[in-house]
Amino acid sequence: DAKTTQPTSMDCAEGRAANLPCNHSTISGNEYVYWYRQIHSQGPQYIIHGLKNNETNEMASLIITEDRKSSTLILPHATLRDTAVYYCIVRVYGGATNKLIFGTGTLLAVQP
Amino acid sequence: KAGVTQTPRYLIKTRGQQVTLSCSPISGHRSVSWYQQTPGQGLQFLFEYFSETQRNKGNFPGRFSGRQFSNSRSEMNVSTLELGDSALYLCASSFETGVRNTEAFFGQGTRLTVV
Repeated sequence: DAKTTQPTSMDCAEGRAANLPCNHSTISGNEYVYWYRQIHSQGPQYIIHGLKNNETNEMASLIITEDRKSSTLILPHATLRDTAVYYCIVRVYGGATNKLIFGTGTLLAVQP
Repeated sequence: KAGVTQTPRYLIKTRGQQVTLSCSPISGHRSVSWYQQTPGQGLQFLFEYFSETQRNKGNFPGRFSGRQFSNSRSEMNVSTLELGDSALYLCASSFETGVRNTEAFFGQGTRLTVV
């Protein structure tokens, strides 16, 4: 699985959009980008995933660049409850494994 | 529907003892994975079970083992506990691979403290 690079931490004002970047320059054609988040001392929570098209669900939007070497997770209206560590993971979709390789993630602090 | 259930939530053991942790996946999910989370190493993959067979294994010593039952419930066992085994142990279940959405759903974890 390709390696990802994320900033260690970011701040965001409550009510504003939070844009979390992720670099995955070695991603291959059959690898998807997944985002999870972990609120302190809880299990990670799935947010969204995508291949090459932009994706949106009730939690967030995922923007993947045309060359697929980077992506951005967007939380449109951040709240204090969105304070968490956000993990960007690249993995093969399907296949004979559900193994996830977590990096160090980005600690997003939403400020009141 | 019910989420992934891990028991117990907290556990304190002494060095040298063994421990068994339990995970009940979401109904219908056949894949169960285990992860160890420590402040120093972060989230690390332990192993994955699918249809009662270990399908993947992370880079952990043989003291860490697991199994999966026919109802997809899984247990992991750590023998001869060391202080460094103190961690949050997380279980994740997924529907299946290669066909449908494969997002993993995590339990709340078991906090193991070895003294």
